[in-house]
Amino acid sequence: EAEVAQSPRYKITEKSQAVAFWCDPISGHATLYWYRQILGQGPELLVQFQDESVVDDSQLPKDRFSAERLKGVDSTLKIQPAELGDSAMYLCASSRTGYGGTEAFFGQGTRLTVV
Amino acid sequence: DAKTTQPPSMDCAEGRAANLPCNHSTISGNEYVYWYRQIHSQGPQYIIHGLKNNETNEMASLIITEDRKSSTLILPHATLRDTAVYYCIVRVSGTASKLTFGTGTRLQVTL
Repeated sequence: EAEVAQSPRYKITEKSQAVAFWCDPISGHATLYWYRQILGQGPELLVQFQDESVVDDSQLPKDRFSAERLKGVDSTLKIQPAELGDSAMYLCASSRTGYGGTEAFFGQGTRLTVV
Repeated sequence: DAKTTQPPSMDCAEGRAANLPCNHSTISGNEYVYWYRQIHSQGPQYIIHGLKNNETNEMASLIITEDRKSSTLILPHATLRDTAVYYCIVRVSGTASKLTFGTGTRLQVTL
C-alpha cells in the first residue's frame, strides 16, 4: 500500500539553527500539504501545493519558514532560524487532487524539538 | 469552511459499537463531511467521507442526517486498537480545498 514518506522521524535542534524536513507524497498525487501540530491540538495547515505551485500559504510564518516543491513531486519545509515555539509535529499529506471530494493521506510526521 | 462541534471524550467497551457524534449546523450544500483519526504519535488516518448519503467502508459507517446538520461515525465492533482522537471535518468541494482540524473526540476503548 502506497504511503506518504517523511524524514527524519525525529529531530532535535538548537534555537537559532536551521532545520529541514522532507516529504515524498504518494505517486501521482498532485496536491501536497504541510501541517503543524502542537501537542494537544489538531493539525494546522501551513502550506498547500498544487503540483509545484503554492495555492495556500496564509498560515505559514514567512519570516522564518519556507517550503518548496520544485518538480511537483517531493517537498522540503525549512525553518531558519528555529525558535523554541516551533517544537511540534510536522505532518505532510497528499491527495490526487485538491478537490474537496478526494481523500488526503498523511505521513507519520517529523517530531521537532527545539532546545 | 463550516465549524464542527464534537464531545471532547467518549468511552466504549471493546466489542461494542462506538458512535461518535458531530454537529455541523452551518454546513453548506457543497461541503463534505470527513472523518480522520489519530493514534498517539502517528499521523492522522483517513476513515471515511460523505456528502449527503450514508457511507460505509471496511473501517466504519458514516450516517448523515437528512438536513445535513449533524453526522455520526460508527465503528461497529470497537477494539483496543481503535483508541484514538477522532476528528470530524467539513470540507468545501471546490478546488484548492483544505482540511481544517478541530480538537476532536478522544475515544477510549476499554476491556
